[in-house]
Amino acid sequence: KNQVEQSPQSLIILEGKNCTLQCNYTVSPFSNLRWYKQDTGRGPVSLTIMTFSENTKSNGRYTATLDADTKQSSLHITASQLSDSASYICVVTDRGSTLGRLYFGRGTQLTVWP
Amino acid sequence: GAGVSQSPSNKVTEKGKDVELRCDPISGHTALYWYRQSLGQGLEFLIYFQGNSAPDKSGLPSDRFSAERTGGSVSTLTIQRTQQEDSAVYLCASSSNSGGPWETQYFGPGTRLLVL
Repeated sequence: KNQVEQSPQSLIILEGKNCTLQCNYTVSPFSNLRWYKQDTGRGPVSLTIMTFSENTKSNGRYTATLDADTKQSSLHITASQLSDSASYICVVTDRGSTLGRLYFGRGTQLTVWP
Repeated sequence: GAGVSQSPSNKVTEKGKDVELRCDPISGHTALYWYRQSLGQGLEFLIYFQGNSAPDKSGLPSDRFSAERTGGSVSTLTIQRTQQEDSAVYLCASSSNSGGPWETQYFGPGTRLLVL
């Protein structure tokens, strides 16, 4: 069964600190993995997209890693800001699907305190 | 418009009533998706439209749910005889070109449905 599991479920950190969010998946065959940021009351916005051959990809203060062998990904946020408070969702695409079918994790709710 | 828009933003209805949710995708995007996000749950795929092809309805949870896309643009998700478990945020997303695994999906703000 194709699944995406994220941890922790929620996280609280102080402004300026770093944090790492985890994503484990069983989706096969694997196509790509995305991290989305979803602000409260808004739709998800794509942060990064990684393919099978990519190990690391950065987008500003966000750095995503992917280990396709262990089927794990992480999202590292550096020097957190209050605006980073949001839900971070890991999304994996099935390569066997030509219709872009996505499998979503439940997200990690990040709260950054001043 | 600049992004995907959805209406209404919020909808409160009584159990047993029908509701219609609207999605306006980004202009020119040929692929359109509907998802459901229940409280504390991940997004759940409902239905996918690509151009003039027959939609992929495999994610619809029951025959009370249906969707159409007129003129390859605006889409309407209809829930008949709503139940309390239908309460959720309904998200619409669109993508360009083939809508395949490499296309980024742009999400709307969602419609929050509450069934009393």
